[in-house]
Amino acid sequence: QVQLVQSAAEVKKPGASVKLSCEASGYPFISYGISWVRQAPGQGLEWMGWISAYDGNTHYAQRIEGRVTMTTDTSTSTAYMELRSLRSDDTAVYYCGRYESGLVDLWGQGTLLTVSS
Amino acid sequence: EIVLTQSPGTLSLSPGERATLPCRASQTISRTYLAWYQQKPGQAPRLLIYAASVRATGIPDRFSGSGSGTAFTLTISRLEPEDFAVYYCQHFGNSPTFGPGTKVDIK
Repeated sequence: QVQLVQSAAEVKKPGASVKLSCEASGYPFISYGISWVRQAPGQGLEWMGWISAYDGNTHYAQRIEGRVTMTTDTSTSTAYMELRSLRSDDTAVYYCGRYESGLVDLWGQGTLLTVSS
Repeated sequence: EIVLTQSPGTLSLSPGERATLPCRASQTISRTYLAWYQQKPGQAPRLLIYAASVRATGIPDRFSGSGSGTAFTLTISRLEPEDFAVYYCQHFGNSPTFGPGTKVDIK
């Protein structure tokens, strides 16, 4: 079955870091990229960046560049997104998606990150 | 950075009606880089249309996309109950951006 399965919900304090995971199955992992998109409560979609699973090249949204690192582990077909120096406005559902030529055609179920003191 | 505008924010329609959802770009973009997604409450988005007018795999033909330059449109010919959702346009250039979305709700 072609799917992306994301890690469980997280609760973090301001200033902390979090690393979310996204495990792919059912398709050749290195043939696609992985994109991360987040959605704050009641808000729209915000593109965060993407990583090539083939060579690890990344492209981050300017707004969060410097606080985010995307990586992949091809041995387990898993992508990771680490976000540092967390703030309350990082509270959101984080989605990973299979990325090709700018499009996300397969999405994970989402991970809720809550940042609160 | 290209900014996408979707207005109105909410469209109230009845099942069976035609829905016309506009998306306007702050500058001319290639049709190749314009997509539409549908999102239902509590679910991840779903790709509907890419290259402005090409339906993604499994998308019913009541969904169609059109437009060029700075003005694009998603049309749902006859609304089915499962079509009431939020629709986002996306420009997927070097730094992809999403529009703010249009919610189609039941009148």
